[in-house]
Amino acid sequence: ETGVTQTPRHLVMGMTNKKSLKCEQHLGHNAMYWYKQSAKKPLELMFVYSLEERVENNSVPSRFSPECPNSSHLFLHLHTLQPEDSALYLCASSQDQVGVSGANVLTFGAGSRLTVL
Amino acid sequence: GQNIDQPTEMTATEGAIVQINCTYQTSGFNGLFWYQQHAGEAPTFLSYNVLDGLEEKGRFSSFLSRSKGYSYLLLKELQMKDSASYLCAVMDSNYQLIWGAGTKLIIKP
Repeated sequence: ETGVTQTPRHLVMGMTNKKSLKCEQHLGHNAMYWYKQSAKKPLELMFVYSLEERVENNSVPSRFSPECPNSSHLFLHLHTLQPEDSALYLCASSQDQVGVSGANVLTFGAGSRLTVL
Repeated sequence: GQNIDQPTEMTATEGAIVQINCTYQTSGFNGLFWYQQHAGEAPTFLSYNVLDGLEEKGRFSSFLSRSKGYSYLLLKELQMKDSASYLCAVMDSNYQLIWGAGTKLIIKP
């Protein structure tokens, strides 16, 4: 497969559940990102990993926990979520961390649509 | 604070031309990006401008004026498949991407 693949595409969970979102890229990119996309709002950067190390955490609640076991995979572990966490969660990758070397274009996955009941 | 403004929604006719504007107020500037996102799909890169002027790529062109904090995306010979959301993003002085909320473009036959 090419590009960035996210699973599952759709997820419905209760507030007490624990689930995980998975992202996979085989582009040879060094940086991976989690974004939250809510209707009619700008993309919100949640986490950035560069060379498998977390380099940024934008004040995201602890109920979201990222994991980057290797350069090709990124997870977002979810627990005790709130209804306002319902959104599209986008994973992206880039050759290097944005800003490290000029214009790093992001390659996005199609997202995981999360609904918290 | 930092801000990117784009129209929420625009409607245009197949075969016509449409211009989607983006104005920004950011702490510094290191480039402006446009992405296209079809409903239920991944955003995909369209263009990058860092110098003033017009960049043309086939039916799509992107313009930048740094002094005015302004960019536009110009779509010519509109096709039904151009119905999508168009996202504007600016890289600030800290190389952080600041995103607009996106413009939903509806193409009518």
